[in-house]
Amino acid sequence: AQSVTQLDSQVPVFEEAPVELRCNYSSSVSVYLFWYVQYPNQGLQLLLKYLSGSTLVKGINGFEAEFNKSQTSFHLRKPSVHISDTAEYFCAVSVSTSYGKLTFGQGTILTVHP
Amino acid sequence: NAGVTQTPKFRVLKTGQSMTLLCAQDMNHEYMYWYRQDPGMGLRLIHYSVGEGTTAKGEVPDGYNVSRLKKQNFLLGLESAAPSQTSVYFCASSYMVENTEAFFGQGTRLTVV
Repeated sequence: AQSVTQLDSQVPVFEEAPVELRCNYSSSVSVYLFWYVQYPNQGLQLLLKYLSGSTLVKGINGFEAEFNKSQTSFHLRKPSVHISDTAEYFCAVSVSTSYGKLTFGQGTILTVHP
Repeated sequence: NAGVTQTPKFRVLKTGQSMTLLCAQDMNHEYMYWYRQDPGMGLRLIHYSVGEGTTAKGEVPDGYNVSRLKKQNFLLGLESAAPSQTSVYFCASSYMVENTEAFFGQGTRLTVV
């Protein structure tokens, strides 16, 4: 079975500051990794995904994430955040033969202050 | 472009009442899922379906039933609601490809009193 741990439940930052949201996973087989964003009272929207190949993945809204197999991590970063980035962010993992089922982390609430 | 549509968006139930949540997708996806979201616990899989007429249990299936009579619809039923089922429920769907992304509905906020 897989598991995902998001190391910070809340991350407050000031506008235009850089941010990193941390995600670690556990799995005995190769994984696919995803970051989803949830704006207030909305569904989840895909930010980016790692399937294979280059370990640095770029997503929408200026976000990127780096897959580190040795540390089993998939941290999300943005060099300069905006007020509109305030949302909850979820790291998720799936494996082949799992019919696309996702195992989610607990979520990180990013709050961007002016 | 509707994507994944959930009905209703909000509902308050009394303990012991029953209800059905409807999920409809217009992307011709084979796979469909029901998750529940609780504070500090992320999303957990309740049931899923890999095609019309098929269903399977996820991580937290107790107290729920599902049906997939048509490819585009996935129904989640609560036969006898309990306060522990107060949650936000999300439906999602995806293509029959292992590494593809899932598309999520807007959610149903259910309160059981």
